[in-house]
Amino acid sequence: ETGVTQSPTHLIKTRGQQVTLRCSSQSGHNTVSWYQQALGQGPQFIFQYYREEENGRGNFPPRFSGLQFPNYSSELNVNALELDDSALYLCASSSGTSGSWYNEQFFGPGTRLTVL
Amino acid sequence: ILNVEQSPQSLHVQEGDSTNFTCSFPSSNFYALHWYRWETAKSPEALFVMTLNGDEKKKGRISATLNTKEGYSYLYIKGSQPEDSATYLCAFMDSSYKLIFGSGTRLLVRP
Repeated sequence: ETGVTQSPTHLIKTRGQQVTLRCSSQSGHNTVSWYQQALGQGPQFIFQYYREEENGRGNFPPRFSGLQFPNYSSELNVNALELDDSALYLCASSSGTSGSWYNEQFFGPGTRLTVL
Repeated sequence: ILNVEQSPQSLHVQEGDSTNFTCSFPSSNFYALHWYRWETAKSPEALFVMTLNGDEKKKGRISATLNTKEGYSYLYIKGSQPEDSATYLCAFMDSSYKLIFGSGTRLLVRP
């Protein structure tokens, strides 16, 4: 059973650029969540995808968007990067079904994004 | 705005000491409470998922309790070891199924 993987590990972009982060879910998991972790804070929920549909969103602007693919891998896209977008981005997969959304989440190692 | 508070922010203990942390969360619309351990340079790892008031869970030397009516959970580590050094995160899930994380308690266990 392979774990959750993320790519790239590190990324440096400049303000105004666009970025795509990738996540490969753990085998058999149909739900993926994305989080942003700024220094000194806990992870903040960006959004969740279940079977390729957005299933919940946190307080992030529309320039944060996502996709989940039929093989349950996922992308996080951020347009018009701002300096405050510098953070660690984590994805987490879980096996969700109606009535069992509380299942533990399996996290990837994260992508460290620096916006200059 | 949902708020999850963890205390203390950081803790330094001696090997062999027992310790505990607190997680406070909203007492309404409770769905689940998660605890994660996050070691440096690794991924967060689930310790417990708790859903019922009065739940007590145990994994080795680590245990957790849950009080949903008053909105708190305690995590206990008995006989701390240096390998327990990590950040311990709790996360509250309400009926919207979003996980709201606290800022974590950073534990350092000195040999």
